[in-house]
Amino acid sequence: ELKVEQNPLFLSMQEGKNYTIYCNYSTTSDRLYWYRQDPGKSLESLFVLLSNGAVKQEGRLMASLDTKARLSTLHITAAVHDLSATYFCAVDNPQYKLSFGAGTTVTVRA
Amino acid sequence: ETGVTQSPTHLIKTRGQQVTLRCSSQSGHNTVSWYQQALGQGPQFIFQYYREEENGRGNFPPRFSGLQFPNYSSELNVNALELDDSALYLCASSVSGILEQFFGPGTRLTVL
Repeated sequence: ELKVEQNPLFLSMQEGKNYTIYCNYSTTSDRLYWYRQDPGKSLESLFVLLSNGAVKQEGRLMASLDTKARLSTLHITAAVHDLSATYFCAVDNPQYKLSFGAGTTVTVRA
Repeated sequence: ETGVTQSPTHLIKTRGQQVTLRCSSQSGHNTVSWYQQALGQGPQFIFQYYREEENGRGNFPPRFSGLQFPNYSSELNVNALELDDSALYLCASSVSGILEQFFGPGTRLTVL
């Protein structure tokens, strides 16, 4: 069974500082996704990482994928309040399609 | 281009009842997947439909069933509702199930 683990589960960020969310998964996969979810809302796609070494950046967020280590990171640069949300990583697999981590709830404080 | 839509937005049922949730896929998408997201958890895969056939199923009992129609829209049916079925149900569509999935707004089901 594919397991996807995120850490930390809760992250209190100070505005202007940098932070990283980690996503580990248990079986081979070359496709990993990051989503953002605001309270009571659906999932918004942030990044699609399709190969080992893939790195994508959008604004203050940067995601990377190391398929050999089965690890993806979501790096947040100079946190701002608008980034407060829950972030999920999800791994593609033949049986379960998308397997999601438990999510990282981010709160950005002044 | 129309995105993924779901109906209803919210639903309240009592234990033992049956419910049908609906999803219209994004234009050009022939695959629909359903996920259950309990409060405070990540979404869990229920099943996927590709060209009207079930194409994979997660660890959900048979009382969770589905359909896909020729226009690629889909229904999720849940029989004999239990309290633990209370969750946000998300539908996602994609092209042939092998590319990125796009999620709808979800249906919030409350079972009393």
